[in-house]
Amino acid sequence: KQEVTQIPAALSVPEGENLVLNCSFTDSAIYNLQWFRQDPGKGLTSLLLIQSSQREQTSGRLNASLDKSSGRSTLYIAASQPGDSATYLCAATGNTGKLIFGQGTTLQVKP
Amino acid sequence: DTAVSQTPKYLVTQMGNDKSIKCEQNLGHDTMYWYKQDSKKFLKIMFSYNNKELIINETVPNRFSPKSPDKAHLNLHINSLELGDSAVYFCASSPSRAGGLRETQYFGPGTRLLVL
Repeated sequence: KQEVTQIPAALSVPEGENLVLNCSFTDSAIYNLQWFRQDPGKGLTSLLLIQSSQREQTSGRLNASLDKSSGRSTLYIAASQPGDSATYLCAATGNTGKLIFGQGTTLQVKP
Repeated sequence: DTAVSQTPKYLVTQMGNDKSIKCEQNLGHDTMYWYKQDSKKFLKIMFSYNNKELIINETVPNRFSPKSPDKAHLNLHINSLELGDSAVYFCASSPSRAGGLRETQYFGPGTRLLVL
């Protein structure tokens, strides 16, 4: 049974810092790994999707890596901004297409 | 021009009542989903429909019954509401049943259900 864990649960950094969010999963037989952003009172927005054959994906200041063998993914945010404040969720996808989510990391970027 | 919309946004009701949550997507997607996010923020899939056909049915009490009148709508009816049903319910859609495999899913804003 797939379990996804995110560390830390909460993170507060000053504006401009580079930061890393961690995601680990117990079953390496994943189809892909996705990162989402959730703003308070709103739904989830997809940030990056890494297929199991890929090592990383980049979008603007965001870079996500995937190491299936160790069951880990990281989301790197460069030059953080107050607008990056949100909860970040990772989800591992099995071959049925079901997403198994972690609990999320709540990020606060202070001006 | 909201892509995935849900109504109502907030729902406060008494134990034992029956309630429905509606979801509509205007993206032309074939597949729709219902997720539950509990108080600990865990987000878990409940159901998935592809072109009005049920394709994923997790271990959910049969008090929960999804209904898809057409591929743009997926409603969730809950009978005999219990305190433990309090959560945020998210609807999502994807272009095809490959949602999650080759393509991402698009989420609605959520419905916050509080059972008293």
